[in-house]
Amino acid sequence: EDKVVQSPLSLVVHEGDTVTLNCSYEVTNFRSLLWYKQEKKAPTFLFMLTSSGIEKKSGRLSSILDKKELFSILNITATQTGDSAIYLCACKAAGNKLTFGGGTRVLVKP
Amino acid sequence: DTAVSQTPKYLVTQMGNDKSIKCEQNLGHDTMYWYKQDSKKFLKIMFSYNNKELIINETVPNRFSPKSPDKAHLNLHINSLELGDSAVYFCASSQDRDGPGTQYFGPGTRLTVL
Repeated sequence: EDKVVQSPLSLVVHEGDTVTLNCSYEVTNFRSLLWYKQEKKAPTFLFMLTSSGIEKKSGRLSSILDKKELFSILNITATQTGDSAIYLCACKAAGNKLTFGGGTRVLVKP
Repeated sequence: DTAVSQTPKYLVTQMGNDKSIKCEQNLGHDTMYWYKQDSKKFLKIMFSYNNKELIINETVPNRFSPKSPDKAHLNLHINSLELGDSAVYFCASSQDRDGPGTQYFGPGTRLTVL
């Protein structure tokens, strides 16, 4: 059975800190890894990663995939209170099946 | 100009009742999904339809029946509701069936079974 594991489960930081979120996976017929941010309602898309070693960047967020070691990290630099959310990692396999990890809850204090 | 919409947003009902949740997407996507998010925030896929054809059917009780009248709509009907069905149900859509593409989520329907 496909498995996606995120760590840590939760963390609390202060504004300006940098956070690193981890996602490891065991997925048959892996196609891509996606990161989502979930605040109060629907998950919103952040990144899609398909190739190893190529960093994707959007503002203060960046992510990279290692397909040999089967993990990805999501970095957030200079955190702000608006970054407080649950960050979800998901892996897409052939047949369009998306398997989610349990999420990392991030709380950024002023 | 909502991309993926669901109705209702909240649903409170008694055990044993039958209820439906509707989902519509105006993105022109071919594939739609239903996910269940439990109290621990764990998102799990239930069903996926591509052009009205069922392509993913995870281990879900047969009290849950998806229906896709056209590729822009995917409704979820639940019979004989149980306490354990209480969760947030998300609809999602994606352009492609088998590529690496992203899925776009609706706002969710919070179902509470009393």
